Amino acid sequence: EAGVTQFPSHSVIEKGQTVTLRCDPISGHDNLYWYRRVMGKEIKFLLHFVKESKQDESGMPNNRFLAERTGGTYSTLKVQPAELEDSGVYFCASSQDSGRGGTDTQYFGPGTRLTVL
Amino acid sequence: AQKVTQAQTEISVVEKEDVTLDCVYETRDTTYYLFWYKQPPSGELVFLIRRNSFDEQNEISGRYSWNFQKSTSSFNFTITASQVVDSAVYFCALSEDSNYQLIWGAGTKLIIKP
Repeated sequence: EAGVTQFPSHSVIEKGQTVTLRCDPISGHDNLYWYRRVMGKEIKFLLHFVKESKQDESGMPNNRFLAERTGGTYSTLKVQPAELEDSGVYFCASSQDSGRGGTDTQYFGPGTRLTVL
Repeated sequence: AQKVTQAQTEISVVEKEDVTLDCVYETRDTTYYLFWYKQPPSGELVFLIRRNSFDEQNEISGRYSWNFQKSTSSFNFTITASQVVDSAVYFCALSEDSNYQLIWGAGTKLIIKP
């Protein structure tokens, strides 16, 4: 069974440009999550999809970040325009849905390392 | 508020030594879940274990063992007879029954020297 995949593995862009990160969850997993780790800080939650619906986007830092999950399969996270403080590693995870909050184990992708110059 | 503390930023031991990684958590929920993930140099986050708050039984998996103690709000991870391949950053995380988010510790970088 294929794990969570993320593309690209690394992206280097200039401040003000747009970048789109993609995540393909494990097949059959309704839950999809985005997290990020900026330099020297803890991994922080960004948002959570259940199928195509945003269940919780309380961690999204500002309106420069837009996440979508059309059709409830893969997800994209767009940063527009990118700022220097957006640099970090963006992780995607997926889990099955037992219907009970944190009980589901989240399986992570390899991450996308974003560098904004 | 929820919080996970991994006070050890970096640990360095010689191969074959035993090593314990500490994790202390805070939560107001009575039902919660604790996790350990491993991040090898390749960067991916690898799931190691999940523990439910209502099950305090310790767990052993090969050279890995976990000690969950609600009385001290700790969920420590011990590697017995460490190997160079155990070198990685290890994260402890918490989730609550009412919330899907994982709350993460800062991670402990473990260096195993040959």
